[in-house]
Amino acid sequence: GAGVSQSPSNKVTEKGKDVELRCDPISGHTALYWYRQRLGQGLEFLIYFQGNSAPDKSGLPSDRFSAERTGESVSTLTIQRTQQEDSAVYLCASSLDGPLGYGYTFGSGTRLTVV
Amino acid sequence: AQTVTQSQPEMSVQEAETVTLSCTYDTSESDYYLFWYKQPPSRQMILVIRQEAYKQQNATENRFSVNFQKAAKSFSLKISDSQLGDAAMYFCAYSSNTGNQFYFGTGTSLTVIP
Repeated sequence: GAGVSQSPSNKVTEKGKDVELRCDPISGHTALYWYRQRLGQGLEFLIYFQGNSAPDKSGLPSDRFSAERTGESVSTLTIQRTQQEDSAVYLCASSLDGPLGYGYTFGSGTRLTVV
Repeated sequence: AQTVTQSQPEMSVQEAETVTLSCTYDTSESDYYLFWYKQPPSRQMILVIRQEAYKQQNATENRFSVNFQKAAKSFSLKISDSQLGDAAMYFCAYSSNTGNQFYFGTGTSLTVIP
């Protein structure tokens, strides 16, 4: 597609439920990133995929968070047993090159609200 | 770890005037990249301008320019002839030459007054 697509746009879930967030990167973009943006805060790095290499998971805040990506296509971010502190906007970004200097193309994010 | 600091949570500017948003960063690396991103209410982050640390010349993109002071680790954004459409959150970001992520500041909310 023309841009990075994320779904759903908004998600309200009950505490303790699992949620799955989806990201469709720009076709041909080998690098894909997930970030979390809490209200009034900057973006926190969660995970990075580059082609078929092992992902950089160093930003995942707990073992309740996981992400998958098959090849250079769709990625899903899963949060298990959601907590209220997981409420945030989850942004996905992709780039043609790696992380070096060219910036990302971001999606519009998924706003997750845990009640 | 690298840190990026934006000390102005909110700024306002009259339409057609000039405004400067501040950003400082901390790093021990010599080669890196700096960015300014704009986030309107649509939430999508839009790249405004980028700067390569090894270049002394300040980057410019139409009405947007930066003042990059490498020794002071300062990277401010100047918006000239401000327009209503410039109203948004602005984030400063750092990327090393070898890392896998960007480091973002906490943002500056810019209001443009008609």
